[in-house]
Amino acid sequence: GENVEQHPSTLSVQEGDSAVIKCTYSDSASNYFPWYKQELGKRPQLIIDIRSNVGEKKDQRIAVTLNKTAKHFSLHITETQPEDSAVYFCAASRYNNNDMRFGAGTRLTVKP
Amino acid sequence: KAGVTQTPRYLIKTRGQQVTLSCSPISGHRSVSWYQQTPGQGLQFLFEYFSETQRNKGNFPGRFSGRQFSNSRSEMNVSTLELGDSALYLCASNKQGTDTQYFGPGTRLTVL
Repeated sequence: GENVEQHPSTLSVQEGDSAVIKCTYSDSASNYFPWYKQELGKRPQLIIDIRSNVGEKKDQRIAVTLNKTAKHFSLHITETQPEDSAVYFCAASRYNNNDMRFGAGTRLTVKP
Repeated sequence: KAGVTQTPRYLIKTRGQQVTLSCSPISGHRSVSWYQQTPGQGLQFLFEYFSETQRNKGNFPGRFSGRQFSNSRSEMNVSTLELGDSALYLCASNKQGTDTQYFGPGTRLTVL
């Protein structure tokens, strides 16, 4: 089955700096890659997603890149703010298959 | 549109008991997936229901079961509770034909 690895497990940056979180997946049939943000005591919230027919997607300060050949995808957050502090999860699944496999999560801390 | 709702939000049980958790998906969403979240194992897929049928199943013992009703509401049941079942149980719903899953707030289960 699918195995998703996520690095780093913790990341601390200064406000205004960029943050990058990387994930690798094992199932070459996976073609949907969402990123979720989970604040303490709250539900995971989708922040951006990408499908395998696209190499990059951007939404304001957040971008995701996908390298299908290498089977890895990354989350990029620019101009970080203290409210970006949370745990971020990457995930992978096949189209129309809701068996989503998650990475272990990255705890991002943005220091003011 | 109202989001995914879960009841109860918190539950305390003792070993050997059983528990039933409920999830109401976003209106119009017919697929409901369940996940277990623990600090040690992260987010793990339990199972998915669509049109009252279990469509996918993760690697959990038979003590974990679920069902879905004709109005798409779903329940999951855990029998013969063990200490290790203490976790946040999240459900997520999505529209047929789309990959994006929206999470509920979760039910925090504590087994004593």
